[in-house]
Amino acid sequence: EVQLVESGGGVVRPGGSLRLSCVASGFTFEDYVMSWVRRAPGKGLEWVSSINWSGVRLGYADEVKGRLTISRDNTKNSLYLEMKSLRADDTALYYCASGSGYFESSGLFIGYFEQWGQGTLVTVSS
Amino acid sequence: DIQMTQSPSTLSASVGDRVTITCRASQSISNFLAWYQQKRDKAPKLLIYKASTLETGVPSRFSGSGSGTEFTLTISSLQPDDFATYFCQQYNPNSRLTFGGGTKVEI
Repeated sequence: EVQLVESGGGVVRPGGSLRLSCVASGFTFEDYVMSWVRRAPGKGLEWVSSINWSGVRLGYADEVKGRLTISRDNTKNSLYLEMKSLRADDTALYYCASGSGYFESSGLFIGYFEQWGQGTLVTVSS
Repeated sequence: DIQMTQSPSTLSASVGDRVTITCRASQSISNFLAWYQQKRDKAPKLLIYKASTLETGVPSRFSGSGSGTEFTLTISSLQPDDFATYFCQQYNPNSRLTFGGGTKVEI
């Protein structure tokens, strides 16, 4: 059975840091682009970041560039999101997802998401 | 960014009903559209990609159609397991991925 399990969410003060993790099982992790997608309270889904199989190609939404860093460890079937300088508008449920698609030279990931986790909640509040 | 507008936002239906959900793009996206189902507190599930291609394992009562700016997801005969929220996502080249706001299908 395919599973993506996120962890690492919590409550953090503005300006703080957090590291999200996602462990994959049931499929060949290194074959897939992996992504983070978030849903803020009362809002729709928003693509945050994607990483290709080798970790060489990365893409970020403009709102998170320079503050969030995506990485992966294929030996551990794990995806990460290092979050720094967090703001109130980063408050959201963060989903890990495996994707089918490709990266453009601009860094945009173009594709859809085949598998999703249940999400981990990040709350940025003083 | 390409804006994706779903309608209706909520849909009341009964088991056995034919249900249609619409997703409109603010500009043409060819057939670069996916549909997902999400049940409360569960992970989203891919139903359809490339506007009309059914993901493996998804029941044939689900179908997708459309191209350009207007798309539909149809459930031919609503089953108890289908009460959920459905949302669309565009993946047009040279555009940031964006999602529709979702349609909640309830009794």
